[in-house]
Amino acid sequence: ETGVTQSPTHLIKTRGQQVTLRCSSQSGHNTVSWYQQALGQGPQFIFQYYREEENGRGNFPPRFSGLQFPNYSSELNVNALELDDSALYLCASSLIERRGQETQYFGPGTRLLVL
Amino acid sequence: AQKVTQAQTEISVVEKEDVTLDCVYETRDTTYYLFWYKQPPSGELVFLIRRNSFDEQNEISGRYSWNFQKSTSSFNFTITASQVVDSAVYFCALLRSGANNLFFGTGTRLTVIP
Repeated sequence: ETGVTQSPTHLIKTRGQQVTLRCSSQSGHNTVSWYQQALGQGPQFIFQYYREEENGRGNFPPRFSGLQFPNYSSELNVNALELDDSALYLCASSLIERRGQETQYFGPGTRLLVL
Repeated sequence: AQKVTQAQTEISVVEKEDVTLDCVYETRDTTYYLFWYKQPPSGELVFLIRRNSFDEQNEISGRYSWNFQKSTSSFNFTITASQVVDSAVYFCALLRSGANNLFFGTGTRLTVIP
């Protein structure tokens, strides 16, 4: 196991609602990345947080937002949910050092279903 | 632009057979990193290997081996003597130097039949 935890494991919401997903990073890691994985697809990068600030963002609208806390845990918030937001949301933690970014280790994911 | 292609959508093999999963990538960067992850039905992506672009040495880890060839932009993954527990979706991914996001292929679903 990686030591990366996510909650909740499953979630059902209705269109237009808001959702918050949580992630605790692996001990010793300072960076959290979030990915969305639609059914049958590879994960797509949403954004990354480093030192409590957004450190890069993929092609996702502003209604996808996040936070990183001093203990390096993170939240992903999605407002105004749409049916297409139904997916597996994966959190990955890693360590950024002077020489660059180390390997990203993933948590078990949160399965979100939007009805 | 970067791209990772896993042309094999699904593969089925009988237990104890060898199987190779193909990965072809595109990038203009001279420094980059390649990864393989395993995703069992539980959903968690399990890290298998990381390879730097400047290190073309092949690697073997137990029943797993990886063949990295820059000349053909390929990073193939072979499982020897496959087992039922190897059944999963396998993803190849690319990380550009200085970037913060992994770029994944669409995955290959491997089914090992007992």
